[in-house]
Amino acid sequence: AQKITQTQPGMFVQEKEAVTLDCTYDTSDQSYGLFWYKQPSSGEMIFLIYQGSYDEQNATEGRYSLNFQKARKSANLVISASQLGDSAMYFCASNSGNTPLVFGKGTRLSVIA
Amino acid sequence: DGGITQSPKYLFRKEGQNVTLSCEQNLNHDAMYWYRQDPGQGLRLIYYSQIVNDFQKGDIAEGYSVSREKKESFPLTVTSAQKNPTAFYLCASSAKQGAYSPLHFGNGTRLTVT
Repeated sequence: AQKITQTQPGMFVQEKEAVTLDCTYDTSDQSYGLFWYKQPSSGEMIFLIYQGSYDEQNATEGRYSLNFQKARKSANLVISASQLGDSAMYFCASNSGNTPLVFGKGTRLSVIA
Repeated sequence: DGGITQSPKYLFRKEGQNVTLSCEQNLNHDAMYWYRQDPGQGLRLIYYSQIVNDFQKGDIAEGYSVSREKKESFPLTVTSAQKNPTAFYLCASSAKQGAYSPLHFGNGTRLTVT
């Protein structure tokens, strides 16, 4: 079964700086997907970025990029040029084959002006 | 606009009562899911359904029941057998089960049982 570990319960970053949120995963499958979601205080879950296990290039979506290191089984989210609106919970998740998404416990990011 | 509607946003019930949380989607997605979120626990899977009239238990299905009579609807019943029902419940859908399809979430229902 998939297991996702997010070791940072909380992170602080200065506005306009970059921040990296850590995520490691544990799977014996060769083919899998990695996802990051943002959850603002309002509660909705917003899909940010996806990386497939066979993708050779790191995924990027605007200010979000996924630092995928397959051998280390890590899929860190990098947010560049942080904004106050980036303050939220961030969840790493993964699935493989026909299995539903498994989520980590999340990291609370606080952006400081 | 296509999306997932969960209602109500807040729900209050007395202990011992069953309660049903609504989830409707107009995205024409095949797969639907229910997750539970507690503080510091992340999201945990309760039930999921890949097609109409079929569903599977997730990691924490005890005390919950679901039905999938229509593609658009996947209601969750929290029964009196659920020991700690107070939580934030999120419904989601995807175009197909697994296969790297991102989940689209509703806005959630916050259930409080006293």
